[in-house]
Amino acid sequence: KAGVTQTPRYLIKTRGQQVTLSCSPISGHRSVSWYQQTPGQGLQFLFEYFSETQRNKGNFPGRFSGRQFSNSRSEMNVSTLELGDSALYLCASSLAATGAIPQETQYFGPGTRLLVL
Amino acid sequence: EDQVTQSPEALRLQEGESSSLNCSYTVSGLRGLFWYRQDPGKGPEFLFTLYSAGEEKEKERLKATLTKKESFLHITAPKPEDSATYLCAVQARNTGNQFYFGTGTSLTVIP
Repeated sequence: KAGVTQTPRYLIKTRGQQVTLSCSPISGHRSVSWYQQTPGQGLQFLFEYFSETQRNKGNFPGRFSGRQFSNSRSEMNVSTLELGDSALYLCASSLAATGAIPQETQYFGPGTRLLVL
Repeated sequence: EDQVTQSPEALRLQEGESSSLNCSYTVSGLRGLFWYRQDPGKGPEFLFTLYSAGEEKEKERLKATLTKKESFLHITAPKPEDSATYLCAVQARNTGNQFYFGTGTSLTVIP
């Protein structure tokens, strides 16, 4: 079974631009979560989507948004990029939404490395 | 207050020198504790899921254990290819349906 895929793998943007990242979950998985990973902060939760609905959102500004399609593929968008948005953006998928009992494991993609100049 | 704390931040071992990594958590109503391995520039790779105190799981040279307040990842006779960052994450009733990750332990195994 194919794993989580993310595109593109690398991006270079300049301040003020916007960017869209894509994530295809493992086949059959309906939950997609997004994380930002930086050396200083570790993995920080951005948001989770399940069945095309945002279920949860982390403490990030409104410039960060996302959506999920009927085939469970997800995109995240960052508008008005800032230097501090440079990070590895990770997507993770799981069978069920977080909060299920027992909690389903999240499986991660390879990430998109974003550099903002 | 941090939900998940991992220690040590970094660990250097000689090949064959066994050791343990620690993940302590302060959440209540644990629904799952997860261990991942992450190589530089790559996404975290799933290792283990633990659900209740007393549970243990093994995979090759790795063994994960869980108590009510912490988890240990034991590495027996490590090899250089075990060098990576090991991440711990928890999901619990009081985490708002989010996974909370520790900042990881960077393991280096010297030949």
